[in-house]
Amino acid sequence: DAGVTQSPTHLIKTRGQQVTLRCSPKSGHDTVSWYQQALGQGPQFIFQYYEEEERQRGNFPDRFSGHQFPNYSSELNVNALLLGDSALYLCASSSPTEVQYFGPGTRLTVL
Amino acid sequence: AQTVTQSQPEMSVQEAETVTLSCTYDTSENNYYLFWYKQPPSRQMILVIRQEAYKQQNATENRFSVNFQKAAKSFSLKISDSQLGDTAMYFCAFMKHFFAASKLTFGTGTRLQVTL
Repeated sequence: DAGVTQSPTHLIKTRGQQVTLRCSPKSGHDTVSWYQQALGQGPQFIFQYYEEEERQRGNFPDRFSGHQFPNYSSELNVNALLLGDSALYLCASSSPTEVQYFGPGTRLTVL
Repeated sequence: AQTVTQSQPEMSVQEAETVTLSCTYDTSENNYYLFWYKQPPSRQMILVIRQEAYKQQNATENRFSVNFQKAAKSFSLKISDSQLGDTAMYFCAFMKHFFAASKLTFGTGTRLQVTL
């Protein structure tokens, strides 16, 4: 049984560019949450998707957007990248009866 | 809003010894969930142990146990018989409930180094 998978593993972009990160949830999970983890910090909640709708959002600007597909996989899009967007982006999947399981993350570097 | 505080940025323990990591939180909720996650250098966040606030009994998972003090809003993690593989960042996290848009709120983490 595959766990949560994320792609790509690493990504380097320049300021002003746009980026898309992808996440496939653990089998049986229907909810996907995204977190941003800056270096030396704990993860910060970006948003959560359930039934293809954004269900809750953290304190992140509109440059951060997402999508969930019918197969429960999800994308995180970040527009107009800033240097401060450099971080590890973690995806977690869950169901109403299970805790959040995390993927290995995508390391985004903005130059 | 909930907050989670981990006041120990770094800790070190010798192999086979016992170490306790501290966590305090602030919430007005009565029912909630608390977690300890481990993040080794591989970056993958791994669930170590969880505690439901309505349960008085402290959770235990093999060498890992918690001391949950609801009135004091304290949730410490005890690692017994420490192993080199326990070296990692440890994050304490809070969640209001399992249903309907429940996010995890994390502390800033404690870096644990297990030495020979």
